[in-house]
Amino acid sequence: SQQGEEDPQALSIQEGENATMNCSYKTSINNLQWYRQNSGRGLVHLILIRSNEREKHSGRLRVTLDTSKKSSSLLITASRAADTASYFCATDGNTGFQKLVFGTGTRLLVSP
Amino acid sequence: EAEVAQSPRYKITEKSQAVAFWCDPISGHATLYWYRQILGQGPELLVQFQDESVVDDSQLPKDRFSAERLKGVDSTLKIQPAELGDSAMYLCASSLGQQSYNEQFFGPGTRLTVL
Repeated sequence: SQQGEEDPQALSIQEGENATMNCSYKTSINNLQWYRQNSGRGLVHLILIRSNEREKHSGRLRVTLDTSKKSSSLLITASRAADTASYFCATDGNTGFQKLVFGTGTRLLVSP
Repeated sequence: EAEVAQSPRYKITEKSQAVAFWCDPISGHATLYWYRQILGQGPELLVQFQDESVVDDSQLPKDRFSAERLKGVDSTLKIQPAELGDSAMYLCASSLGQQSYNEQFFGPGTRLTVL
């Protein structure tokens, strides 16, 4: 079963623009993670935000978390063609252990 | 850079046949996961190992799927018999430990097509 749902399902932008994708989840969490998946390949961990954090940055990535709304957003600034991928949020369901439950994903297309 | 290895990368089989996937996690990673990813969806955990022990197989269809990690290192996932609905990407991942703050490292996956 999918815990989270990403919105939008698909996003198409030009290089240099910012991309924002959102994730909503159902149960309380200890932390939320974002992963990237390039076409036909495995997933790569991008960033983890803990439930007591509201915002976190990593390079061109900015993640926010609103536990009262059970939602998170991932912002990619100054996007590049290489950012073209599917992006998934994953939550741990407040177990503290690694049973990650992934969302449905946002497919991002960045055109040169 | 250490990576999770999986083989084969692609597998085509007919329904009712048996298939097996292999995964070699990053050295030193005690926790190993098998996920199934249906096209257009996120990965779904099938089974999780801590060393050689299964800690979660609640989503594993045990009538046809089996998984083992006999020496607590590499792992095999088997499907017998395969059904049309098993067509998917099978991803293996590993992490240092079970705690959810540990990053999971994923292999490239095995894409299974059942005809």
